[in-house]
Amino acid sequence: DTGVSQDPRHKITKRGQNVTFRCDPISEHNRLYWYRQTLGQGPEFLTYFQNEAQLEKSRLLSDRFSAERPKGSFSTLEIQRTEQGDSAMYLCASSPWGRNTEAFFGQGTRLTVV
Amino acid sequence: DQQVKQNSPSLSVQEGRISILNCDYTNSMFDYFLWYKKYPAEGPTFLISISSIKDKNEDGRFTVFLNKSAKHLSLHIVPSQPGDSAVYFCAALNYGGSQGNLIFGKGTKLSVKP
Repeated sequence: DTGVSQDPRHKITKRGQNVTFRCDPISEHNRLYWYRQTLGQGPEFLTYFQNEAQLEKSRLLSDRFSAERPKGSFSTLEIQRTEQGDSAMYLCASSPWGRNTEAFFGQGTRLTVV
Repeated sequence: DQQVKQNSPSLSVQEGRISILNCDYTNSMFDYFLWYKKYPAEGPTFLISISSIKDKNEDGRFTVFLNKSAKHLSLHIVPSQPGDSAVYFCAALNYGGSQGNLIFGKGTKLSVKP
């Protein structure tokens, strides 16, 4: 296993369009997190899953955002009707909750809304 | 309200000397702390962590110190190397309370000059 994988690495979209990102976590990790990072800020929590259950959502996750983790494996993050303020790096991380708490991050998806 | 604060946006150190990165937190429920390192256009990489039951954890050139009474932690890098130049994020977690998400500071950009 080579780590957390995110696809695509970069996405440019027009305002109003929908976008979907995919994250493949480290295979034995049962927790999966989505974060967003903008310039000059640390990663900001969006949501996380324990296996297939979405356990927490941040207030940053507006109604236009939805995340899924079917079968507790990969996850998708969809943004509907994108706005320029959605431009950011979207980071996925996974961790083997219960053994240790270190979360391992993917390389991120850079979203630019024009 | 920022729960994890890194008050120095940047730090410049000479190669071979010690780098000290600081982090303060406000939430007394945090019981696990992590440091991540981030290069441009990449996801954060886990560096070192410490539980609140300890006051020091060491891993090679990296040592993290925790002062619970002051709600302060620091990362020491000795000796500093040019390859250490990156943005360092402090993160905190309420592991005992099963809070799932890491709360990050805004980061400190470390520059190690040859």
